[in-house]
Amino acid sequence: AQKVTQAQTEISVVEKEDVTLDCVYETRDTTYYLFWYKQPPSGELVFLIRRNSFDEQNEISGRYSWNFQKSTSSFNFTITASQVVDSAVYFCALSGPLSGGSYIPTFGRGTSLIVHP
Amino acid sequence: KAGVTQTPRYLIKTRGQQVTLSCSPISGHRSVSWYQQTPGQGLQFLFEYFSETQRNKGNFPGRFSGRQFSNSRSEMNVSTLELGDSALYLCASSLGTAGFNQPQHFGDGTRLSIL
Repeated sequence: AQKVTQAQTEISVVEKEDVTLDCVYETRDTTYYLFWYKQPPSGELVFLIRRNSFDEQNEISGRYSWNFQKSTSSFNFTITASQVVDSAVYFCALSGPLSGGSYIPTFGRGTSLIVHP
Repeated sequence: KAGVTQTPRYLIKTRGQQVTLSCSPISGHRSVSWYQQTPGQGLQFLFEYFSETQRNKGNFPGRFSGRQFSNSRSEMNVSTLELGDSALYLCASSLGTAGFNQPQHFGDGTRLSIL
């Protein structure tokens, strides 16, 4: 069975601080995809990034960066110089291979990030 | 490009009633999925429809059902409402050609409150 653990329920930081959101996953599949979504107060989940299990390169997009390490089954998300607009709930998600295996996406419980001005 | 549209945004019902929620996906998206989000259980997958057929189903009772029309619009129905059905119901669409390995695009959700 697949499992996604986001151990941090809530993180509170002051604007301009760097913050890392942790995501640890479990799967028996060798091919899988990992996602991060952002859910602002409006409710809509917004797709941030997708990573497949064969691509361990870190990725940077503006102030956002992601660190994928298969050895520790982690896919952590760092926001550099946080801003108030980053305040949201962030979800890490895992999906299985296209054929066979666990097909239904599994979401973590989410990490609520509060950025204070 | 218009996003995923869910109607209504808010609903208040009483126990025992039934409710129908609607979702219009992004144009060209053939997969529509439904999720239930609650503080206690988090985000849970209900079911997915692709080309008018239910392709995947989560672990919810038969009171939860859905359908998809030829224009990919989807409806979700919950019968004999219970207090525990109070939740934010999210709809997500994707191209669907690579299952859930493609990014999903979510609507704002329908907040259902059961009195």
